[in-house]
Amino acid sequence: DTEVTQTPKHLVMGMTNKKSLKCEQHMGHRAMYWYKQKAKKPPELMFVYSYEKLSINESVPSRFSPECPNSSLLNLHLHALQPEDSALYLCASSRIWTGREAFFGQGTRLTVV
Amino acid sequence: KNEVEQSPQNLTAQEGEFITINCSYSVGISALHWLQQHPGGGIVSLFMLSSGKKKHGRLIATINIQEKHSSLHITASHPRDSAVYICAVLLIQGAQKLVFGQGTRLTINP
Repeated sequence: DTEVTQTPKHLVMGMTNKKSLKCEQHMGHRAMYWYKQKAKKPPELMFVYSYEKLSINESVPSRFSPECPNSSLLNLHLHALQPEDSALYLCASSRIWTGREAFFGQGTRLTVV
Repeated sequence: KNEVEQSPQNLTAQEGEFITINCSYSVGISALHWLQQHPGGGIVSLFMLSSGKKKHGRLIATINIQEKHSSLHITASHPRDSAVYICAVLLIQGAQKLVFGQGTRLTINP
């Protein structure tokens, strides 16, 4: 199993809503990542979890709240988002050691209305 | 100047042509990824390189660490190869951080 599974695939939410994005992998990877990708731009790193602990936070606004409840799951909790937060949110995972290949999910396309 | 530069940004070719996409980087890296992204979003990892050359089917990736340059080649290109190809480097310093190039949008016409 070399899949990273993200749910939902599409999400439309209002600016007052609270929603969560989910990411799951069963490859035994202990590094997991959230990226944000705007149209026609490369992905931008948001968060990195290593051994279920937050290791990198790229100055992401607090309306995005990551959570890694176990070694297979990564969540991104969303609250009070803005329309400019509309984007493709990609999850990825890899083994911990430097130089390990990253595997990406299909992404969640988020629209904030 | 971006740490990872790709060229060309856009490439249109006819089915069957040999395709080359280039990636240059200016930082110390432990590995380089070539990624493929189709419309609709999902990213697929094509190759991860730290030296030399790798081949998978019609795809070939090479890296020259001394020159800080990598190329992705597609032989006998096909319309289904149409996608955005992204070069991403894993920094040698800092934990687990991929730095992405801007991507090359490839269109293969039948």
